[in-house]
Amino acid sequence: NAGVTQTPKFRVLKTGQSMTLLCAQDMNHEYMYWYRQDPGMGLRLIHYSVGEGTTAKGEVPDGYNVSRLKKQNFLLGLESAAPSQTSVYFCASSRAGVNHYEQYFGPGTRLTVT
Amino acid sequence: EDKVVQSPLSLVVHEGDTVTLNCSYEVTNFRSLLWYKQEKKAPTFLFMLTSSGIEKKSGRLSSILDKKELFSILNITATQTGDSAVYLCAVSLMDKIIFGKGTRLHILP
Repeated sequence: NAGVTQTPKFRVLKTGQSMTLLCAQDMNHEYMYWYRQDPGMGLRLIHYSVGEGTTAKGEVPDGYNVSRLKKQNFLLGLESAAPSQTSVYFCASSRAGVNHYEQYFGPGTRLTVT
Repeated sequence: EDKVVQSPLSLVVHEGDTVTLNCSYEVTNFRSLLWYKQEKKAPTFLFMLTSSGIEKKSGRLSSILDKKELFSILNITATQTGDSAVYLCAVSLMDKIIFGKGTRLHILP
Protein backbone atom coordinates (compact mmCIF):
# COMPACT_ATOMS: atom_id res chain seq x y z
CA ASN A 1 0.00 0.00 0.00
CA ALA A 2 1.97 3.00 -1.29
CA GLY A 3 -0.59 5.67 -0.38
CA VAL A 4 -0.17 8.76 -2.55
CA THR A 5 2.76 8.88 -4.95
CA GLN A 6 3.94 11.68 -7.22
CA THR A 7 6.21 11.69 -10.23
CA PRO A 8 8.62 13.23 -10.88
CA LYS A 9 10.20 14.29 -7.58
CA PHE A 10 12.20 17.12 -9.14
CA ARG A 11 12.08 18.91 -12.46
CA VAL A 12 13.70 21.93 -14.06
CA LEU A 13 11.90 23.56 -16.98
CA LYS A 14 12.67 26.47 -19.21
CA THR A 15 10.10 29.21 -19.67
CA GLY A 16 7.53 28.16 -22.23
CA GLN A 17 8.07 24.41 -21.89
CA SER A 18 5.25 22.11 -20.94
CA MET A 19 5.06 19.20 -18.56
CA THR A 20 2.67 16.92 -16.71
CA LEU A 21 2.86 15.94 -13.07
CA LEU A 22 1.35 12.59 -12.18
CA CYS A 23 -0.36 11.76 -8.91
CA ALA A 24 -1.48 8.22 -8.10
CA GLN A 25 -3.30 6.83 -5.07
CA ASP A 26 -4.07 3.22 -4.20
CA MET A 27 -6.61 3.86 -1.43
CA ASN A 28 -9.68 3.98 -3.70
CA HIS A 29 -10.29 7.59 -2.69
CA GLU A 30 -12.92 9.62 -4.49
CA TYR A 31 -11.43 13.07 -3.94
CA MET A 32 -8.05 14.25 -5.19
CA TYR A 33 -6.35 17.62 -4.96
CA TRP A 34 -3.39 19.56 -6.33
CA TYR A 35 -1.72 22.22 -4.16
CA ARG A 36 1.28 24.44 -4.54
CA GLN A 37 3.42 25.57 -1.62
CA ASP A 38 5.58 28.68 -1.82
CA PRO A 39 7.80 30.08 0.94
CA GLY A 40 5.74 32.09 3.40
CA MET A 41 2.51 31.38 1.51
CA GLY A 42 1.20 28.14 2.95
CA LEU A 43 -0.59 25.63 0.73
CA ARG A 44 -2.86 26.92 -2.02
CA LEU A 45 -5.36 24.76 -3.83
CA ILE A 46 -4.93 24.69 -7.63
CA HIS A 47 -7.56 22.21 -8.80
CA TYR A 48 -9.44 19.33 -7.29
CA SER A 49 -11.62 16.41 -8.31
CA VAL A 50 -14.57 14.84 -6.54
CA GLY A 51 -14.58 11.73 -8.68
CA GLU A 52 -13.44 10.08 -11.87
CA GLY A 53 -14.09 12.30 -14.88
CA THR A 54 -14.74 15.46 -12.83
CA THR A 55 -12.50 18.43 -12.05
CA ALA A 56 -12.99 21.84 -10.48
CA LYS A 57 -10.97 25.01 -9.97
CA GLY A 58 -9.40 25.87 -6.69
CA GLU A 59 -7.87 29.07 -5.42
CA VAL A 60 -5.08 29.52 -8.01
CA PRO A 61 -6.03 27.63 -11.21
CA ASP A 62 -4.61 29.96 -13.86
CA GLY A 63 -1.84 28.44 -15.97
CA TYR A 64 -2.72 24.86 -15.01
CA ASN A 65 -4.98 22.15 -16.37
CA VAL A 66 -5.96 18.84 -14.83
CA SER A 67 -7.51 15.55 -15.82
CA ARG A 68 -8.96 12.62 -13.88
CA LEU A 69 -9.52 9.91 -16.48
CA LYS A 70 -8.99 7.13 -13.96
CA LYS A 71 -10.07 7.17 -10.34
CA GLN A 72 -6.59 6.47 -9.06
CA ASN A 73 -4.77 9.11 -11.11
CA PHE A 74 -4.89 12.90 -11.14
CA LEU A 75 -2.70 14.74 -13.64
CA LEU A 76 -1.58 18.35 -13.43
CA GLY A 77 -0.43 20.00 -16.64
CA LEU A 78 1.51 23.14 -17.30
CA GLU A 79 1.10 24.12 -20.95
CA SER A 80 3.60 26.98 -21.01
CA ALA A 81 5.66 27.17 -17.85
CA ALA A 82 6.49 30.54 -16.28
CA PRO A 83 9.00 31.42 -13.53
CA SER A 84 6.04 32.26 -11.27
CA GLN A 85 5.18 28.56 -11.33
CA THR A 86 8.40 27.66 -9.54
CA SER A 87 7.09 25.93 -6.44
CA VAL A 88 6.65 22.67 -4.59
CA TYR A 89 3.55 20.83 -5.77
CA PHE A 90 1.65 18.48 -3.49
CA CYS A 91 -1.04 16.06 -4.45
CA ALA A 92 -3.53 14.79 -1.86
CA SER A 93 -6.49 12.45 -1.73
CA SER A 94 -9.35 11.79 0.65
CA ARG A 95 -12.07 9.17 0.88
CA ALA A 96 -14.69 11.88 0.45
CA GLY A 97 -14.97 15.55 1.40
CA VAL A 98 -12.44 16.92 3.90
CA ASN A 99 -15.29 17.91 6.18
CA HIS A 100 -15.48 14.29 7.20
CA TYR A 101 -12.34 12.56 6.04
CA GLU A 102 -8.65 13.41 6.37
CA GLN A 103 -6.45 14.17 3.40
CA TYR A 104 -3.38 12.09 2.64
CA PHE A 105 -0.56 13.97 0.94
CA GLY A 106 2.05 12.79 -1.51
CA PRO A 107 5.78 13.55 -1.03
CA GLY A 108 5.76 16.56 -3.34
CA THR A 109 7.36 17.61 -6.63
CA ARG A 110 9.87 20.44 -6.62
CA LEU A 111 9.57 22.37 -9.89
CA THR A 112 11.92 25.11 -10.98
CA VAL A 113 11.18 27.22 -14.05
CA THR A 114 14.11 29.23 -15.38
CA GLU B 1 -12.16 37.54 1.33
CA ASP B 2 -11.72 34.26 3.17
CA LYS B 3 -8.58 34.09 5.29
CA VAL B 4 -6.80 31.97 7.85
CA VAL B 5 -4.16 33.55 10.06
CA GLN B 6 -1.71 31.62 12.19
CA SER B 7 0.41 32.96 14.99
CA PRO B 8 3.17 33.07 15.83
CA LEU B 9 4.86 32.49 12.48
CA SER B 10 7.89 31.11 14.24
CA LEU B 11 8.61 29.80 17.72
CA VAL B 12 11.71 28.44 19.44
CA VAL B 13 11.40 26.69 22.82
CA HIS B 14 13.35 24.23 24.93
CA GLU B 15 12.55 20.56 25.18
CA GLY B 16 9.97 19.97 27.89
CA ASP B 17 8.22 23.30 27.42
CA THR B 18 4.52 23.58 26.58
CA VAL B 19 3.55 25.52 23.47
CA THR B 20 0.28 26.95 22.17
CA LEU B 21 -0.20 27.63 18.49
CA ASN B 22 -3.01 29.87 17.32
CA CYS B 23 -5.24 29.85 14.27
CA SER B 24 -7.91 32.46 13.60
CA TYR B 25 -10.19 32.61 10.60
CA GLU B 26 -12.63 34.81 8.75
CA VAL B 27 -14.56 32.75 6.23
CA THR B 28 -18.00 32.13 4.85
CA ASN B 29 -19.61 28.69 4.84
CA PHE B 30 -17.31 27.18 7.48
CA ARG B 31 -17.38 23.40 7.57
CA SER B 32 -14.37 22.26 9.60
CA LEU B 33 -10.92 23.26 10.83
CA LEU B 34 -7.93 21.02 10.30
CA TRP B 35 -4.44 20.85 11.76
CA TYR B 36 -1.47 19.28 9.97
CA LYS B 37 2.17 18.71 10.86
CA GLN B 38 4.72 19.19 8.10
CA GLU B 39 8.25 18.02 8.65
CA LYS B 40 10.52 17.78 5.64
CA LYS B 41 7.99 16.72 3.08
CA ALA B 42 4.27 15.96 3.03
CA PRO B 43 1.86 17.35 5.63
CA THR B 44 0.40 14.72 7.92
CA PHE B 45 -3.03 15.00 9.46
CA LEU B 46 -3.40 15.78 13.16
CA PHE B 47 -6.95 16.87 13.96
CA MET B 48 -10.28 17.77 12.42
CA LEU B 49 -12.54 20.04 14.45
CA THR B 50 -16.15 20.79 13.64
CA SER B 51 -17.77 21.57 16.98
CA SER B 52 -16.98 24.31 19.48
CA GLY B 53 -15.59 23.49 22.88
CA ILE B 54 -14.83 19.81 22.30
CA GLU B 55 -11.17 19.08 22.86
CA LYS B 56 -9.48 16.58 20.62
CA LYS B 57 -6.45 14.85 22.06
CA SER B 58 -3.69 12.64 20.72
CA GLY B 59 -0.87 11.91 23.14
CA ARG B 60 0.80 15.19 24.05
CA LEU B 61 -1.13 17.13 21.41
CA SER B 62 -4.56 18.62 21.87
CA SER B 63 -6.73 21.09 20.03
CA ILE B 64 -9.96 22.97 20.53
CA LEU B 65 -12.20 25.13 18.38
CA ASP B 66 -14.15 28.27 19.30
CA LYS B 67 -16.68 28.95 16.57
CA LYS B 68 -18.00 32.05 18.28
CA GLU B 69 -14.62 33.78 18.47
CA LEU B 70 -13.44 32.11 15.22
CA PHE B 71 -10.21 30.56 16.37
CA SER B 72 -8.54 27.32 17.29
CA ILE B 73 -5.49 26.46 19.37
CA LEU B 74 -3.09 23.55 19.16
CA ASN B 75 -1.32 22.67 22.39
CA ILE B 76 1.77 20.55 22.68
CA THR B 77 2.89 19.59 26.18
CA ALA B 78 6.29 18.26 27.25
CA THR B 79 7.73 19.09 23.84
CA GLN B 80 10.40 16.87 22.27
CA THR B 81 12.87 17.57 19.49
CA GLY B 82 10.75 15.40 17.22
CA ASP B 83 7.97 17.97 17.50
CA SER B 84 10.07 20.40 15.44
CA ALA B 85 8.05 21.05 12.29
CA VAL B 86 5.76 23.49 10.55
CA TYR B 87 2.21 23.26 11.88
CA LEU B 88 -0.47 24.12 9.35
CA CYS B 89 -4.02 25.16 10.07
CA ALA B 90 -6.66 24.91 7.35
CA VAL B 91 -10.34 25.72 7.14
CA SER B 92 -12.65 23.70 4.95
CA LEU B 93 -15.45 25.63 3.31
CA MET B 94 -18.30 24.47 1.13
CA ASP B 95 -16.20 24.53 -2.01
CA LYS B 96 -12.58 25.06 -1.04
CA ILE B 97 -9.89 24.68 1.59
CA ILE B 98 -7.89 27.65 2.84
CA PHE B 99 -4.54 27.10 4.56
CA GLY B 100 -2.75 29.46 6.88
CA LYS B 101 0.93 30.21 6.35
CA GLY B 102 1.95 27.89 9.15
CA THR B 103 3.85 28.17 12.41
CA ARG B 104 7.46 26.99 12.31
CA LEU B 105 8.26 25.36 15.66
CA HIS B 106 11.82 24.55 16.66
CA ILE B 107 12.53 22.59 19.83
CA LEU B 108 15.99 23.01 21.35
CA PRO B 109 17.45 19.99 23.15
